[in-house]
Amino acid sequence: GENVEQHPSTLSVQEGDSAVIKCTYSDSASNYFPWYKQELGKGPQLIIDIRSNVGEKKDQRIAVTLNKTAKHFSLHITETQPEDSAVYFCAARLSGGSEKLVFGKGTKLTVNP
Amino acid sequence: GAVVSQHPSRVICKSGTSVKIECRSLDFQATTMFWYRQFPKQSLMLMATSNEGSKATYEQGVEKDKFLINHASLTLSTLTVTSAHPEDSSFYICSARIRGGPDTQYFGPGTRLTVL
Repeated sequence: GENVEQHPSTLSVQEGDSAVIKCTYSDSASNYFPWYKQELGKGPQLIIDIRSNVGEKKDQRIAVTLNKTAKHFSLHITETQPEDSAVYFCAARLSGGSEKLVFGKGTKLTVNP
Repeated sequence: GAVVSQHPSRVICKSGTSVKIECRSLDFQATTMFWYRQFPKQSLMLMATSNEGSKATYEQGVEKDKFLINHASLTLSTLTVTSAHPEDSSFYICSARIRGGPDTQYFGPGTRLTVL
């Protein structure tokens, strides 16, 4: 089955710097890759997603890139702010018509003011 | 748009009792809802997939008789933890897909269950 590896597990940056979180997946047929932000005690919030027919997607300070050949995708946050501090999860949807998402283990991002 | 609510947000119960958690899609109809469990500082683990009007599909290792799921309408799914034990204490989160929409899953705020 699908396996999603996420790195790093923790990331600390200074306010205004960029943050990059990387994920790799094992099933080359996976075709949908969302990123979620989870604040303490809350449910995950979708921040951006990308499908396999697109190599890059951007939404203001957030961007996601996808390399299908290498089977990895990355989240880029520019001009980080303290309110970006949270746990970020990447996910990949299983192929074959499945609706299931397989999640990475999460990255705890801390943005220091 | 695409708001999912859960009730209750927190529940404390005694060992041996049953607890029901509701998941509602507030501004859309959800063909499919998902139930996840999350332990502290860990990732989300899918427990089951729930389709309106049909039986839920449980993941391997999840006891269907212990975690009863009912998806009675296009806006409501419930998870009942039967005969709860302390090891069932966890953060339970549901998500939903918009009927006829893309495969995006929108998550609820979660329910913290503590079994004494």
